[in-house]
Amino acid sequence: SSELTQDPAVSVALGQTVRITCQGDSLRSYYASWYQLKPGQAPVLVIYGKNNRPSGIPDRFSDSSSGNTASLTITGAQAEDEADYYCNSRDSSGNHQFFGTGTKVTVL
Amino acid sequence: QVQLQESGPGLVKPSETLSLTCTVSGGSISSYYWSWIRQPAGKGLEWIGRIYTSGSTNYNPSLKSRVTMSVDTSKNQFSLKLSSVTAADTAVYYCARAKYYDFWSGYYFDYWGQGTLVTVSS
Repeated sequence: SSELTQDPAVSVALGQTVRITCQGDSLRSYYASWYQLKPGQAPVLVIYGKNNRPSGIPDRFSDSSSGNTASLTITGAQAEDEADYYCNSRDSSGNHQFFGTGTKVTVL
Repeated sequence: QVQLQESGPGLVKPSETLSLTCTVSGGSISSYYWSWIRQPAGKGLEWIGRIYTSGSTNYNPSLKSRVTMSVDTSKNQFSLKLSSVTAADTAVYYCARAKYYDFWSGYYFDYWGQGTLVTVSS
């Protein structure tokens, strides 16, 4: 299946921890990558592979996976983390990729 | 630092072909997959497809019949053509580099363009 489901929106108090989940059959076999989208800006890769952060991404971003669910956790959320977040995975052939439905994170 | 820049018409008429080009600077286009991704207003990201510098392509099955991608390594550019467009194809179109990590992860998108809005309207 090429569907990845995310909660539409979550909120977190400044400095607290928030978890964003991504569910789908492909995640039983493959890791997700995660992207941050802010209006008017190019999307940013925040996590790839098994919990790898690109250079420049703060270590408050981490991910984990269990069964058919991948989770992106922001520990100590900052105001600048307010954005839309999307997961992405591959299919079994390795020839196609697909995005999750996206989660809007609001930092209160 | 690799940079990507989309270019092309911002307005396309229904039933016509949308054409976009992505110019890569700060690095070689060779030996990578290059992807197109779009986001309709108020909706999520959709992977359109990818092309390797050899010209090998993979397309989203839902768009495959209308999509053609090409690459020009001499210009460090790759392109997207989407035929028979409708209002549903109105979206911000992004180009991105797809980098392979491993079998369990596949590819991830490490560099993105700023995106370009394409509106389908008469």
